[in-house]
Amino acid sequence: DIVMTQSPDSLSESLGEKATINCKSSQSVLYSGNNKNYLGWYQQKPGQPPKLLIYWASTRESGVPDRFSGSGSGTDFTLTISSLQAEDVAVYYCQQYYSTPWTFGQGTKVEV
Amino acid sequence: QVQLQESGPGLVKPSETLSLTCTLSNGSISHYYWSWIRQPPGKGLEWIGYIYYSGTTDYNASLKSRVTISVDTSKNQFSLKLSSVTAADTAVYYCARTYSTSSSFDLWGQGTLVTVSS
Repeated sequence: DIVMTQSPDSLSESLGEKATINCKSSQSVLYSGNNKNYLGWYQQKPGQPPKLLIYWASTRESGVPDRFSGSGSGTDFTLTISSLQAEDVAVYYCQQYYSTPWTFGQGTKVEV
Repeated sequence: QVQLQESGPGLVKPSETLSLTCTLSNGSISHYYWSWIRQPPGKGLEWIGYIYYSGTTDYNASLKSRVTISVDTSKNQFSLKLSSVTAADTAVYYCARTYSTSSSFDLWGQGTLVTVSS
């Protein structure tokens, strides 16, 4: 199984500041056949299901604010919130879909 | 808009079988992969398995011996059965959609809490 490890477990930043979440996979999720990283990022607010923010490591889902961006390749990935807003308080998860069992990171709690 | 809704008992006794159904509204179950994912209270997400509309399945090996996922295309539904449950199976169970076996979960149900207790 591919193990996904996020850091930090939690973070707190002021409104308008940048927040950075890291995700590391135990093996590469870059598929050489199409040069795509099989990595997604999700936001989960209390009492709600996860919501897809980013897929292919850096492609923003339709409707997601552009303050959210994803980067990285191979085994190391980053989710950046460029200017933290009150509504961004949530737990964020990375997930690999390179191979089953599809696996998630343990989550990073973001507070303002 | 397209929606998923989980349904089923919220309380299951230890050693019994957990059964849930996910109903798709305003869309077609065809040509997508449909998964079950669970989240124990206060913990992270675990993928349980998926089914393709044609009936092809893939299960997480950690649960494979106890899991069955089935689909009823005529009702736009798919179902989860998890046998021999214990307290460790207490979780919010979500159904979710992927476009292929190599894509992210773009549609989720609201989730349903299942508690295993006598």
